[in-house]
Amino acid sequence: GAVVSQHPSRVICKSGTSVKIECRSLDFQATTMFWYRQFPKQSLMLMATSNEGSKATYEQGVEKDKFLINHASLTLSTLTVTSAHPEDSSFYICSARTSLNTEAFFGQGTRLTVV
Amino acid sequence: AQTVTQSQPEMSVQEAETVTLSCTYDTSESNYYLFWYKQPPSRQMILVIRQEAYKQQNATENRFSVNFQKAAKSFSLKISDSQLGDTAMYFCAFMKGETSGSRLTFGEGTQLTVNP
Repeated sequence: GAVVSQHPSRVICKSGTSVKIECRSLDFQATTMFWYRQFPKQSLMLMATSNEGSKATYEQGVEKDKFLINHASLTLSTLTVTSAHPEDSSFYICSARTSLNTEAFFGQGTRLTVV
Repeated sequence: AQTVTQSQPEMSVQEAETVTLSCTYDTSESNYYLFWYKQPPSRQMILVIRQEAYKQQNATENRFSVNFQKAAKSFSLKISDSQLGDTAMYFCAFMKGETSGSRLTFGEGTQLTVNP
């Protein structure tokens, strides 16, 4: 199957700083990328959907100014957590899909810890 | 809006035995897809099996098969000859069959433990 690479896998940052998470589709062009947040032993919660070259569509309750999503190319999307606080600590997962395929391919996830 | 319900938070099975995970969904859509994803301790999401709603035949992938009951809006996953590597969180998911922008709606998940 297609490969989606997410980086970093783990990051620790200080409260008040920003952290960027990258999601790359390595062998296909991702017309749509999705960002999820997952708390321990819970399901994936969709944060936003982004299409290449367009502004991301955020789910209700997700602060767009806090979670900046950029999908500048067909192979790269980034999630920037701005002014991070301890409550932003979580597991973040990206997934990507082409326009021709119903299957979504997932990155390995990023464990963010804000101290 | 679509909803997906997994009523079994945890299940366990002995190695080599068969186990069935339940999933029900609610939708008014006629064209959609259903999926089972596996999330092992590594937390990498892995597609297990996919079912197109317009297909009456149940999908099968090696030891994994589904029982798709469209009228009842039920989509259960059967794992045969369970292996230790099957230990994982299993998520049932729904997707509208319109465009590539369609999102996945996940159930709450079922933690499956395969015991030796």
